[in-house]
Amino acid sequence: DAGVTQSPTHLIKTRGQQVTLRCSPKSGHDTVSWYQQALGQGPQFIFQYYEEEERQRGNFPDRFSGHQFPNYSSELNVNALLLGDSALYLCASSFGQGANQPQHFGDGTRLSIL
Amino acid sequence: AQRVTQPEKLLSVFKGAPVELKCNYSYSGSPELFWYVQYSRQRLQLLLRHISRESIKGFTADLNKGETSFHLKKPFAQEEDSAMYYCAPLVCGNTGKLIFGQGTTLQVKP
Repeated sequence: DAGVTQSPTHLIKTRGQQVTLRCSPKSGHDTVSWYQQALGQGPQFIFQYYEEEERQRGNFPDRFSGHQFPNYSSELNVNALLLGDSALYLCASSFGQGANQPQHFGDGTRLSIL
Repeated sequence: AQRVTQPEKLLSVFKGAPVELKCNYSYSGSPELFWYVQYSRQRLQLLLRHISRESIKGFTADLNKGETSFHLKKPFAQEEDSAMYYCAPLVCGNTGKLIFGQGTTLQVKP
């Protein structure tokens, strides 16, 4: 089992562009959460998907949106990119929505905005 | 507001010395508490969770509800323990949402 896989590994965009990041959860997991990790900071929760719906959202603007597919994989979309969106984007998967479920992380996608 | 504080950005100790990485949280409910670790060039991974009360790689963490703290401890540090450590309460409710502290870099010197 490869665990959580994310693509691409690195991405360079310019301000105003749009980006899509992808995540495949660990085998047997059905819940996907996305986090943004700025340099020198801990990861910050963006949102969580379960049963193809956004279940909870952190303090991020509507420019950040997502989707979950029937096979539990997920996408994170960011529109109108800003310089401040430069960060490592982490995907985490778990089984079953809710508390007491450890989350397993991918290696992340490093997004750089020029 | 839900908040996690890890007061030390860097903790440097010699091999064999005791280690304590501090974590304080503010949350009105009863969160499940985790410690995650990130070794050099590896992904973030779960180190231990409060509910299981297990010891992983010699690390333990005690929950002090009165002080709202969940400090990570190890009696004798090893060089391979050098890594970034994050304290992360999982907010209960309908969904699970991890709130990470800023992290503490543990450097174990030979």
